[in-house]
Amino acid sequence: KAGVTQTPRYLIKTRGQQVTLSCSPISGHRSVSWYQQTPGQGLQFLFEYFSETQRNKGNFPGRFSGRQFSNSRSEMNVSTLELGDSALYLCASSWGDRPDTDTQYFGPGTRLTVL
Amino acid sequence: KQEVTQIPAALSVPEGENLVLNCSFTDSAIYNLQWFRQDPGKGLTSLLLIQSSQREQTSGRLNASLDKSSGRSTLYIAASQPGDSATYLCAVGIWQLTFGSGTQLTVLP
Repeated sequence: KAGVTQTPRYLIKTRGQQVTLSCSPISGHRSVSWYQQTPGQGLQFLFEYFSETQRNKGNFPGRFSGRQFSNSRSEMNVSTLELGDSALYLCASSWGDRPDTDTQYFGPGTRLTVL
Repeated sequence: KQEVTQIPAALSVPEGENLVLNCSFTDSAIYNLQWFRQDPGKGLTSLLLIQSSQREQTSGRLNASLDKSSGRSTLYIAASQPGDSATYLCAVGIWQLTFGSGTQLTVLP
């Protein structure tokens, strides 16, 4: 069974640009969560999707958005990039209808560098 | 707001030693607690999930305990090996997971 895949693995952007990251969950998993990981703040929850609906959102500005498609694949978008958005963006999927009751399976992440 | 603390932040031990990693959380209203491992520059790998109704969970050389009332969990690693070197993170929450900052473990050959 293939694991969680994320594309691209690495991205370099400049301030003011926008970026779209993609996540394909494990087949059959319906919940997809996104996290931002930085050396200073650690792992922080961005948002969670289930059946194309965003059910939870972390404390991030509106520049961060996402969506989930009918096949459970998910994308997140960051507009008007800032230097502080440089981070490892991790996607996680789980089988059940709650991300906190089942094992979370993480992808390898997308390393975003903003210059 | 849930806060998760992991102590120590870093730990270096010789191969073969048994060790304990600690995790504490402020809000005991959790569904479960999960322990993860992260290798440098990579994603997280789930190690153990303890349901809130359980007190411990075991997988191979790993044993995790949970004391919800005191807001504490420990991860016990028996007979450590150099391959165990990684950052270990615990996470708790309701709906969304809140992570600790991790313990960076180095096992010296």
